Amino acid sequence: DADVTQTPRNRITKTGKRIMLECSQTKGHDRMYWYRQDPGLGLQLIYYSFDVKDINKGEISDGYSVSRQAQAKFSLSLESAIPNQTALYFCATSDPRLAGIQFFGPGTRLTVL
Amino acid sequence: EDKVVQSPLSLVVHEGDTVTLNCSYEVTNFRSLLWYKQEKKAPTFLFMLTSSGIEKKSGRLSSILDKKELFSILNITATQTGDSAVYLCAAANAGGTSYGKLTFGQGTILTVHP
Repeated sequence: DADVTQTPRNRITKTGKRIMLECSQTKGHDRMYWYRQDPGLGLQLIYYSFDVKDINKGEISDGYSVSRQAQAKFSLSLESAIPNQTALYFCATSDPRLAGIQFFGPGTRLTVL
Repeated sequence: EDKVVQSPLSLVVHEGDTVTLNCSYEVTNFRSLLWYKQEKKAPTFLFMLTSSGIEKKSGRLSSILDKKELFSILNITATQTGDSAVYLCAAANAGGTSYGKLTFGQGTILTVHP
């Protein structure tokens, strides 16, 4: 079944470490997104990409960077992790032909000590 | 700045009760309003609403949009313990490079007791 996968699913790291979260999809969608979720704050958009050559900042991009390696792969990096980046991170994809509904991966729970 | 606000933030009911979840939005270039259900994992899509006054229905869940008053409601009738989840509302942008971007509300935590 076409899917959105994220690795790792859980990660504990220390302040100052570089971390990469990876997202892959088999849905064939051009658009991909990275969100973070904190309790009581819903989902906040970090970065989004409408195709391989297009990268856009979201609401909370500071401290994060992304790479769109292929249509199916979109990675999120924390260059120097800090404790307030502890959160649940979701990758999502969409296809405008499907009215832009976004489909989410299972999430990565990141803890920065 | 685009904004979506949900209420209540949490709700505790018993099986069989009917609940109404609220979502108000302020979004430039509004395109559509989406509802998602999130259990202990990824949000899953429930409804997308683009036109005012037209109810979308799926089993015991239904939703409607009011584009004049800028709000939507999600109703769940005859609640079951399996309805316990966080319900997220999101507004989609229609404009230019922001096309398809979603702005999410904080979510409503629904707990259904047996």
